[in-house]
Amino acid sequence: GAGVSQTPSNKVTEKGKYVELRCDPISGHTALYWYRQSLGQGPEFLIYFQGTGAADDSGLPNDRFFAVRPEGSVSTLKIQRTERGDSAMYLCASSLDNEQFFGPGTRLTVL
Amino acid sequence: KQEVTQIPAALSVPEGENLVLNCSFTDSAIYNLQWFRQDPGKGLTSLLLIQSSQREQTSGRLNASLDKSSGRSTLYIAASQPGDSATYLCASSGNTPLVFGKGTRLSVIA
Repeated sequence: GAGVSQTPSNKVTEKGKYVELRCDPISGHTALYWYRQSLGQGPEFLIYFQGTGAADDSGLPNDRFFAVRPEGSVSTLKIQRTERGDSAMYLCASSLDNEQFFGPGTRLTVL
Repeated sequence: KQEVTQIPAALSVPEGENLVLNCSFTDSAIYNLQWFRQDPGKGLTSLLLIQSSQREQTSGRLNASLDKSSGRSTLYIAASQPGDSATYLCASSGNTPLVFGKGTRLSVIA
């Protein structure tokens, strides 16, 4: 079956712009996670959904970051007024029980 | 707050060698320990998941062990191949999502 997919694979934007990153989890997976990975670092947790609700959003760095999962499947990570420091790989993962399965990521570059 | 450390940061070995990658964590109250592989510019591929009640898991040439009391996990790769070259990440989960180490960058030289 299909794995986790993320679109776009690459996104280049200008400082101050708004961006949306999309994640399609594995069908039937109830949990969905967003992580951010900077070069040479491990992924860092941003937000976790169980079903439609955000069970834990403690990793979001500030109020410019927001994520939704309105129907308990696809999720969108939204970043307002992007800054150069937001440049990173954004990874999405889904799980049914304990094991998390990751998508290919979206490489965001803010110029 | 859980902290995960991986040693070494980088490792280069000749093809055919057996090798061990190390992962340590500060809080032993973990649910699972998961090992991943990441190729440059790509997402993460899950290799092995060890649940807290388990001591080890094996998949092909890979064996991962978990010692919660000492806060350590190891990933053993047997008969390494050039295709094993990648960054290997370990991550622990407690009652929060995964906490990752920075990874070990492995190069297997033909």
